Amino acid sequence: EAQVTQNPRYLITVTGKKLTVTCSQNMNHEYMSWYRQDPGLGLRQIYYSMNVEVTDKGDVPEGYKVSRKEKRNFPLILESPSPNQTSLYFCASSLSSGTGGEQYFGPGTRLTVT
Amino acid sequence: SQKIEQNSEALNIQEGKTATLTCNYTNYSPAYLQWYRQDPGRGPVFLLLIRENEKEKRKERLKVTFDTTLKQSLFHITASQPADSATYLCAFSISYNTDKLIFGTGTRLQVFP
Repeated sequence: EAQVTQNPRYLITVTGKKLTVTCSQNMNHEYMSWYRQDPGLGLRQIYYSMNVEVTDKGDVPEGYKVSRKEKRNFPLILESPSPNQTSLYFCASSLSSGTGGEQYFGPGTRLTVT
Repeated sequence: SQKIEQNSEALNIQEGKTATLTCNYTNYSPAYLQWYRQDPGRGPVFLLLIRENEKEKRKERLKVTFDTTLKQSLFHITASQPADSATYLCAFSISYNTDKLIFGTGTRLQVFP
């Protein structure tokens, strides 16, 4: 089944404790992206990757890191989480950049930072 | 700055009627736009894509229009059903060279039997 998976689905952590949210897709997609969704603000892009070893900042990259060492994986790293990073996070992928293709979203990771 | 507006108020309609959702944008000219459905606690699911040179796109009971003069897209669900109840998001591209999308905040649709 074609899908985007994220782990963990739920995470409660404390301020300053490094964490990684994994994202994996099995569709051989080139483009991958991370979003956060907050009430009243909608989906905002954090980082995106147009292919392996190519990443770039989205609209709200502060406090986050990403890497794209393999085509299928695109982990999101919070080096020192803070309470304002409490949010619902989504990973998404699409076939290739510039085709205007649909984006496939993962199930989401609900993160709470206390 | 680039801005997308969707009606933040929920849209309540009766089963069988046509639901019409609006998405307006300002300060740029998108190459294409997409509509997604999102159920509570789940990731958005792609519904339709329409390009700047297309006026209208249909898929089963769904219809999307794209008016570049009005800077507006309308999303219609005909013969609506309670199962159509969800939040609907519009998203605009910034260019054909990237899949980067800018999302609206979504409109919640509630279809009553």
